[in-house]
Amino acid sequence: AQSVTQPDARVTVSEGASLQLRCKYSYSGTPYLFWYVQYPRQGLQLLLKYYSGDPVVQGVNGFEAEFSKSNSSFHLRKASVHWSDSAVYFCVLRSTGNYKYVFGAGTRLKVIA
Amino acid sequence: ETAVFQTPNYHVTQVGNEVSFNCKQTLGHDTMYWYKQDSKKLLKIMFSYNNKQLIVNETVPRRFSPQSSDKAHLNLRIKSVEPEDSAVYLCASSHGLVEQFFGPGTRLTVL
Repeated sequence: AQSVTQPDARVTVSEGASLQLRCKYSYSGTPYLFWYVQYPRQGLQLLLKYYSGDPVVQGVNGFEAEFSKSNSSFHLRKASVHWSDSAVYFCVLRSTGNYKYVFGAGTRLKVIA
Repeated sequence: ETAVFQTPNYHVTQVGNEVSFNCKQTLGHDTMYWYKQDSKKLLKIMFSYNNKQLIVNETVPRRFSPQSSDKAHLNLRIKSVEPEDSAVYLCASSHGLVEQFFGPGTRLTVL
């Protein structure tokens, strides 16, 4: 069965610091992976996606993620966070050939001054 | 404007009432979804339609029923709401098997 684990429920970082949000997945094939962000009282917005090719993918607002098949991971990174990055971040897996998307539990990011 | 639209934004109702939520996408996508997001932000897929055909129907109470009139619309009806139905209901769409686009959500409170 497919699964996505985001081991950190909450992360607090200082404004201007670097960020890494962790994501581990379980899937026997090659997954399609996504990171979404949810700001308060809003729907989910796509940050970036990985289908194949270069394991480092660039997203919006300076976010990037690195896919590792050997580690079954898809960690999200940002070099310098801003207070407006405070939100909930979801790592999502879609297996090939069906319409099911598997969501992680989310990581709530708080950026402090 | 191309996006996923949901109405209403909020709905407060009493136990036992019937509610309906609307979702419309103007992205030209062929697949639409309903998710339930609880107070801990956990998302659970409820239904998925591809070209008006039901393709995903997770184990949800029978009082929940999706209604699809065409590829651009997927509504959700809840007959006789229960307190545990209080949540945010998110509608999403995709074109084939690529990324999903989400609406802003409908927040349901059952008193």
